[in-house]
Amino acid sequence: QKEVEQDPGPLSVPEGAIVSLNCTYSNSAFQYFMWYRQYSRKGPELLMYTYSSGNKEDGRFTAQVDKSSKYISLFIRDSQPSDSATYLCAMSNTGFQKLVFGTGTRLLVSP
Amino acid sequence: DVKVTQSSRYLVKRTGEKVFLECVQDMDHENMFWYRQDPGLGLRLIYFSYDVKMKEKGDIPEGYSVSREKKERFSLILESASTNQTSMYLCASSLGWEISPGAKNIQYFGAGTRLSVL
Repeated sequence: QKEVEQDPGPLSVPEGAIVSLNCTYSNSAFQYFMWYRQYSRKGPELLMYTYSSGNKEDGRFTAQVDKSSKYISLFIRDSQPSDSATYLCAMSNTGFQKLVFGTGTRLLVSP
Repeated sequence: DVKVTQSSRYLVKRTGEKVFLECVQDMDHENMFWYRQDPGLGLRLIYFSYDVKMKEKGDIPEGYSVSREKKERFSLILESASTNQTSMYLCASSLGWEISPGAKNIQYFGAGTRLSVL
């Protein structure tokens, strides 16, 4: 069993839809949770990070962590075609020393 | 803006060749990382370095070595390339270690090098 599980998709939605991307994990020691966005033929870029449980909002993006269920989510409101990319979750148990990544979910937002 | 530059976007090498992948960051970051990314497997850490001339093995170091002679440059070396090392290689850097969360430890990635070993 992988330490971090993420549905590879693709997830296809129409423009304007609310998107929910999720990861589950098995290591209860993880405390830091990140979401990266990776466009085709580019390196990942950090979207959001959270510490422990709770929600964090940044514009159209909301990151949610439920440590009791070992489940993290990224919500995208009013999705745009420019949001089409692969979204990677990542997590760590000692700051950002070593990150464990999910395999990524490919998102396609159609106009 | 942080810039992490990988010397090649695409590279084709033959089995048995010695391959060097170069990475340079321009933000005086302490830490640098090498990952490989494969479909269905995600990003896997090969090696990382938290200081000049210091290195630590990641999860899949076999068949690879690294060099960090200067703070801004981190090289990944494939001593004798094999076909199973065909992959996307990503370099990343971060400012430094910190116990509490903060921008100091965000990893910034380069654009990647797609290596094919024939």
